[in-house]
Amino acid sequence: NAGVTQTPKFQVLKTGQSMTLQCAQDMNHNSMYWYRQDPGMGLRLIYYSASEGTTDKGEVPNGYNVSRLNKREFSLRLESAAPSQTSVYFCASSERSSNEQFFGPGTRLTVL
Amino acid sequence: EDQVTQSPEALRLQEGESSSLNCSYTVSGLRGLFWYRQDPGKGPEFLFTLYSAGEEKEKERLKATLTKKESFLHITAPKPEDSATYLCAVRGGRGSTLGRLYFGRGTQLTVWP
Repeated sequence: NAGVTQTPKFQVLKTGQSMTLQCAQDMNHNSMYWYRQDPGMGLRLIYYSASEGTTDKGEVPNGYNVSRLNKREFSLRLESAAPSQTSVYFCASSERSSNEQFFGPGTRLTVL
Repeated sequence: EDQVTQSPEALRLQEGESSSLNCSYTVSGLRGLFWYRQDPGKGPEFLFTLYSAGEEKEKERLKATLTKKESFLHITAPKPEDSATYLCAVRGGRGSTLGRLYFGRGTQLTVWP
């Protein structure tokens, strides 16, 4: 039981490049989330998916898109990366949106 | 406006020196307060959920309590392996906050031998 897995672990992009961060969970959870964590700030919600087939914007969605590919997988896409998107990105999942969330190990993204 | 404020930002304790971390919140219609532990370079690890004032949860040297305005994470006789950043999050119950988790900035705890 791996829990929540994320790929890649590290990534360096140039401004304007695009990329997709992958997330998968093997806990049969219904809800999945993407957060970013910046120094001196709390975790901030980018997008979430309360259940398969649905996605909603969180606190900081601008510059990002998401896809809930199936119950297990939830990807985050940066279409045109900007230096302000340099951050650590965490994926999380929960059994339902009212339950505690379990986090992946994170992706450390640097945009030059 | 901050939904969650954690204090202190950093805390250094000698091994065995008990203390408490504070998490105060302003969200309406609280639907859960969550404590996480985060080690450097890793994702947050779930510790506790509290739902109502007066509720308490314990795990090893950690005990979490909840009032109507704040939560405390009490650490009894800490060990160096308790060193980590402790995060508090609340789930709102009304309006734009419904269902979302709002995280504080964390308290960085260092326990030295």
